[in-house]
Amino acid sequence: EPEVTQTPSHQVTQMGQEVILRCVPISNHLYFYWYRQILGQKVEFLVSFYNNEISEKSEIFDDQFSVERPDGSNFTLKIRSTKLEDSAMYFCASSVKGGQGRTEAFFGQGTRLTVV
Amino acid sequence: AQSVTQLGSHVSVSEGALVLLRCNYSSSVPPYLFWYVQYPNQGLQLLLKYTSAATLVKGINGFEAEFKKSETSFHLTKPSAHMSDAAEYFCAVSDRGGNTGKLIFGQGTTLQVKP
Repeated sequence: EPEVTQTPSHQVTQMGQEVILRCVPISNHLYFYWYRQILGQKVEFLVSFYNNEISEKSEIFDDQFSVERPDGSNFTLKIRSTKLEDSAMYFCASSVKGGQGRTEAFFGQGTRLTVV
Repeated sequence: AQSVTQLGSHVSVSEGALVLLRCNYSSSVPPYLFWYVQYPNQGLQLLLKYTSAATLVKGINGFEAEFKKSETSFHLTKPSAHMSDAAEYFCAVSDRGGNTGKLIFGQGTTLQVKP
């Protein structure tokens, strides 16, 4: 069964360092998303991506964050200069359709980012 | 703005008992509604979804949910809990009118199943 895969499963980084979280969405999906879940809190939307551009982003997704689909299969989330409060589980998701007639999003296993 | 409220951050039931996890939503337009389950150290798995067909939706693992517009609710039920149902459950809403598949999640409910 097709699935969304994320690497690494766990990343520890020092405050101020750049991190790149990687995702391989399901191959025929066209919409891609990043969500995060701070420990003990709800899952929060960060950004959606369609047709090689951001279609929507939340207030959380500030200038420290960027997304890219570098090669047609990977979908990455970059945090330029990590802060302690960026520590969270980051989920990648993909769906066939967004907008009207949207289909369900399939989620990856997540990357646990710990900033020390 | 859309929002989701899950009543009860922690629900405990005995094995074989009815499971009822509550979800209320707020949306200015008819929504799509979803329930996801998260097992320990795993990602989010879709249990079921409501997209305006039948108001009673059946999902995987014996779960079902009923969309009640008058109550703005989408409660999740299962007639008989199994030990393997212990997990965290998230209700989510998506805006029909938007151009993305953005999901707004509730706070989550941890289901404990006692032997």
